[in-house]
Amino acid sequence: DIVMTQSPDSLAVSLGERASINCKSSQSVLDTSNNNHYLAWYQQKPGQPPKLLIYWTSIRESGVPDRFSGSGSGTDFTLTISSLQAEDVAVYYCQQYYSTPRTFGQGTTVEIK
Amino acid sequence: QVTLRESGPALVKPTQTLTLTCTFSGFSLSTSGMCVIWLRQPPGKALERLARIDWDDDKYYNTSLKTRLSISKDTSKNQVILTMTDMDPVDTGTYYCARMKNGLMDYWGRGTLVTVSS
Repeated sequence: DIVMTQSPDSLAVSLGERASINCKSSQSVLDTSNNNHYLAWYQQKPGQPPKLLIYWTSIRESGVPDRFSGSGSGTDFTLTISSLQAEDVAVYYCQQYYSTPRTFGQGTTVEIK
Repeated sequence: QVTLRESGPALVKPTQTLTLTCTFSGFSLSTSGMCVIWLRQPPGKALERLARIDWDDDKYYNTSLKTRLSISKDTSKNQVILTMTDMDPVDTGTYYCARMKNGLMDYWGRGTLVTVSS
């Protein structure tokens, strides 16, 4: 199984400031046939199910604000919230969908400082 | 639009078998590439995959829980059923079903809280 490791486990950021979450995969999630990294991000707000936020490393799901962006390559990926809003308080998970089983990171909790 | 809804008992006793049903609409589990996956989340903890069933009836189980899990589908009723045997208090948590398409879980149910207690 591909192991996904996120860092930090939690972070507190002031409103309007930037928040960055890292995700590292234990092996490459790059499909060289199409040059796509099979890496997604999910957001889980308190009391809600997870919501797909970003896929193919950097493609935002429909309706996701553009303050959310994804980047990375190889085995290292980052989710960035450019200007943290109160409604962004949540746990964020990365997930690889390169191979079965599809595996998640342990989650990163984002709070307001 | 796509919706999924989990149903089942809120409380089960230790050693009992849990049966959960995921009833969905807006897509067909007969369509190539379509899957439904069950996950769970203990209170305050991370997501854990349980089992997945694909359009062609392929099934995948969490390796560490494989002996306790069974997943099946009723395509005519748009339902996926998960059973988990020998329930224990550590199995307490919120159980979710989600649609998986091309490896992405793009639609989720609201989840159902299952408590294991005598």
